[in-house]
Amino acid sequence: EVQLVESGGGLVQPGGSLRLSCSASGFPFSTYSMHWVRQAPGKGLEYVSTVNTNGGSTYYADSVKDRFTISRDNSKNTLYLQMSSLRTEDTAVYYCVNIYIRVVYWGPGTLVTVAS
Amino acid sequence: EVVMTQSPATLSVSPGERATLSCRASQSVSSDLAWYQQKPGQAPRLLIYDASTRATGIPARFSGSGSGTEFTLTISSLQSEDFAVYYCQQYNNWPPLTFGGGTKVEIK
Repeated sequence: EVQLVESGGGLVQPGGSLRLSCSASGFPFSTYSMHWVRQAPGKGLEYVSTVNTNGGSTYYADSVKDRFTISRDNSKNTLYLQMSSLRTEDTAVYYCVNIYIRVVYWGPGTLVTVAS
Repeated sequence: EVVMTQSPATLSVSPGERATLSCRASQSVSSDLAWYQQKPGQAPRLLIYDASTRATGIPARFSGSGSGTEFTLTISSLQSEDFAVYYCQQYNNWPPLTFGGGTKVEIK
């Protein structure tokens, strides 16, 4: 059974940093690209970032480019999102997403609140 | 980037009635289309993948159809627990993954 579990969310001041993690199991993690998606309070789903299988290729939404860094550790089956220069508009639930054998799997999400 | 457009934004339906939700892609996404249900405070719940395959545990009253650029989610007889927001997502041409803006199904 595929399981994705995010952690690392919390309250951070504007301009601060936070690192999210996503622990994955139930599929061959190192052979699948991974994604982050977020949802601000009362808003729709917003794509954040993608990393390929070996971490050598990354992609970011314009809204987070140059501030967020996606990475992975295939030895630990873990996906990361390093967030810096955080803004109030980054407040959202962040989800880890994987597409495995054509089924889209999501974690339960972790809440990031950017406020002073 | 593939732009996904859902309609209507809000759908008012009486319990027991049929609900039809639409999702359009700006270019063909083949059948690489998923539908989700989301309730307040919860993560999106996968209902349909591959445009028409129900996910594990999803009741038969939910059905998906379409391919290419036009897709439909049908709820045959709305139950009280079905009132929620529904999203479509394409996973044919990524990155980025892209989502529709959502359809809120509310009680009429």
